[in-house]
Order: sequence, then C-alpha cells, then structure tokens
Amino acid sequence: AAGVIQSPRHLIKEKRETATLKCYPIPRHDTVYWYQQGPGQDPQFLISFYEKMQSDKGSIPDRFSAQQFSDYHSELNMSSLELGDSALYFCASSLSLFQETQYFGPGTRLLVL
Amino acid sequence: GQQLNQSPQSMFIQEGEDVSMNCTSSSIFNTWLWYKQDPGEGPVLLIALYKAGELTSNGRLTAQFGITRKDSFLNISASIPSDVGIYFCAGGTGANSKLTFGKGITLSVRP
Repeated sequence: AAGVIQSPRHLIKEKRETATLKCYPIPRHDTVYWYQQGPGQDPQFLISFYEKMQSDKGSIPDRFSAQQFSDYHSELNMSSLELGDSALYFCASSLSLFQETQYFGPGTRLLVL
Repeated sequence: GQQLNQSPQSMFIQEGEDVSMNCTSSSIFNTWLWYKQDPGEGPVLLIALYKAGELTSNGRLTAQFGITRKDSFLNISASIPSDVGIYFCAGGTGANSKLTFGKGITLSVRP
C-alpha cells in the first residue's frame, strides 16, 4: 500500500540558511500534519492543512511557514535556521479532517550546523 | 495543555513474555492511537481506538480504550526480538484532529 512520502530524507544546513521539506500524502488523503521530534522526545504538532487551508497551528516558530497545494502535497519552509531546529520532521496524512487516524511518513532529518 | 503519561520510560522483557503498557491523561480524548517507532524512522500505526470501552486486536497486539476516555492500554503477547522499539500512545480530541503524544516507552526484548 502507498505510504506518505517525504523528501529529502536527510538535510544539512548552516545557521541562518533556509530549508524546504516536502510531503506527499497517501493518495486520497486530504489532510496533512507536520510534527517536529527532537532527540529522545515525542513528536510535537506544528501545523495542519485540510483541503489546502490551514486547519490548526501548534508550536510552530514564526520563521516557519507551510502550505498545501492543489495536488494535496505540502511543503514546510524554514528560514533563518537555528541550531535548535535540528530534529526529525514528520509529515502525517489522514483521510479527512475529522478522521483522526494519522499515518506518518519516514521523516526528514534536519541537521543545522 | 493536554498531556499523556506513559511510564516507565523503559521496559526490559524476555523473549516470549507478555508485556502491558498504559497511557493515562487528566483530559478526555475521543481517539486513542498506538504507534511503534524505530530509531530514525517514522511512527508506524499499530492500533486505532475510536469508542470508549473498545477492545481491538491486531495479531499479537491488543489495545483498549478506557471507559472514562482518559486512558488506554496496549498488550503485546509472546514478545519477539522485532518488538524492540519505542511505543507511543497518542490521543485526539476530534476538534481539530491534532495528536497529543505520550513520552513513549522503550521496549527491549532479551533473546
């Protein structure tokens, strides 16, 4: 079965640089969620989109922005990167906004030097 | 904010043993999900629970949605080495569908 696809899988950036993470949800899934997981931590919700509109916002820094496109893929844009942004970033998708079963992608490991 | 409590942080069992994990909260959740995560990989959904009192099985895994909607447990029977990993519980409130995760339990299985 098709799963959530994330790219790139690994990313190394310098401080103050920008990064763009991409997420391709499971086919027919219209809701996308972004989570950040620090070392030894649980995933923390950042932001979600339903039908290309932002549906909820969590602890996402103002330096980050995201959007969902017409083909339902989503991109997380991160600017002015800081050392503390180094983490695993997961995208999850679900069939509709009120279906709470979320399927996670393999993640993007971001390292900021 | 909402918090899910999972303890202990680590569990060590012998291959073939059964193990039970609890997840509790002071808040009510409408959905309970159990995920397993291997290092550096994404959480993999094990079981989803949607109704208070619901008991669901998936192979050697059994999970229950607590009747108060404030807790859930996961049982793994006849553990095998590939059960090693971090087990997270997650709760959803239904209002906006974001998930709140517990801190996770790291399971080690001795052959």
